[in-house]
Amino acid sequence: DAGITQSPRHKVTETGTPVTLRCHQTENHRYMYWYRQDPGHGLRLIHYSYGVKDTDKGEVSDGYSVSRSKTEDFLLTLESATSSQTSVYFCAISSYTQGAEETQYFGPGTRLLVL
Amino acid sequence: LAKTTQPISMDSYEGQEVNITCSHNNIATNDYITWYQQFPSQGPRFIIQGYKTKVTNEVASLFIPADRKSSTLSLPRVSLSDTAVYYCLVVGRGSTLGRLYFGRGTQLTVWP
Repeated sequence: DAGITQSPRHKVTETGTPVTLRCHQTENHRYMYWYRQDPGHGLRLIHYSYGVKDTDKGEVSDGYSVSRSKTEDFLLTLESATSSQTSVYFCAISSYTQGAEETQYFGPGTRLLVL
Repeated sequence: LAKTTQPISMDSYEGQEVNITCSHNNIATNDYITWYQQFPSQGPRFIIQGYKTKVTNEVASLFIPADRKSSTLSLPRVSLSDTAVYYCLVVGRGSTLGRLYFGRGTQLTVWP
């Protein structure tokens, strides 16, 4: 399995508090992604990064921000958590190259409950 | 991105071959097909991907007919541990970086 860890694995927080999730990889892959998975919606892309300090929004980015100061770490921050952000969050990495087929490798996930 | 349609659920018994078919009528010329597997409380795991004809690896085979409007994931001799959700994705080469649309997948249940 690809060397991807996520922390914390479980978190319970209260509405209005900031929350930061961490994704750490040991594969030196350039591309990193944050998804959320909810019943009935499959996985939806929140943000992704194509290099250190290079990030872009996905389809459900409102209420989330990201940062990538090192190749190996990609942080997802919920500025002010809401109950609608209760979900399972997955980080993924890939060694995508232009014009080639991309394979993403996923981390174990973080279960977040916002009360 | 081409929309995919696959069965919501399938049942099988240990030792049987399982074929999960996915339809993707609007697949574009440069699109390729990828399958992922997801166990409860785990992230999706890449199984196999292909562009046309047949691809085989140590886990599964992927059959893609000439018109590429469908694909079939074949799992030989399934075991209880193959119980999982299987996702079929159509991905545009080079144009949809990061945009993997998983849909609802097929829940495969393997019975003893």
